[in-house]
Amino acid sequence: DAGVTQSPTHLIKTRGQQVTLRCSPKSGHDTVSWYQQALGQGPQFIFQYYEEEERQRGNFPDRFSGHQFPNYSSELNVNALLLGDSALYLCASSLLGREQETQYFGPGTRLLVL
Amino acid sequence: AQSVAQPEDQVNVAEGNPLTVKCTYSVSGNPYLFWYVQYPNRGLQFLLKYITGDNLVKGSYGFEAEFNKSQTSFHLKKPSALVSDSALYFCAVRDGSGGSYIPTFGRGTSLIVHP
Repeated sequence: DAGVTQSPTHLIKTRGQQVTLRCSPKSGHDTVSWYQQALGQGPQFIFQYYEEEERQRGNFPDRFSGHQFPNYSSELNVNALLLGDSALYLCASSLLGREQETQYFGPGTRLLVL
Repeated sequence: AQSVAQPEDQVNVAEGNPLTVKCTYSVSGNPYLFWYVQYPNRGLQFLLKYITGDNLVKGSYGFEAEFNKSQTSFHLKKPSALVSDSALYFCAVRDGSGGSYIPTFGRGTSLIVHP
């Protein structure tokens, strides 16, 4: 049973650039959430996608956008990168409904902005 | 609003001794509570959750947590620590009364188990 996968594992960008991160959910899951984990902090919720729509959004600027595909995989896009965007970006999948309570996380993409 | 406090940045325990990692929460509705563990350079791994029912919740790898409504706490425990339990532990809460599906995570507690 494949778990949540993310690509790439590491990424280095410069300020002002744009980045796309990718996530494939755990088999059977239909909901994908994205989190930003800065060094020494807990994960912070960015947004959640279900049925290709953004379902809920945390306190992140519009520079952060996403997409969910018909196969439930998802992308996180960040435009006009800032130094402060350097973090571990985590994708989590779940199944909408009661089991939605348990989110399963991928290994993350570590983004460094120089 | 909802929040989680993990009052200890680091917990040190000798192998074989019991361990406790503390978590207190604040939420306006019904608390849904979770514990995750993170190993170096890895994502978060689900350990256990409390949604409703028994206050003592058993999870993976011998961990358990006790929900205490009056003290708004959800401390993680294990009767006998292993060196391999050394990792970063996160407590999370979300309001189970409906509406928002956004969990709030604590800052994490680093557990170090000494041989």
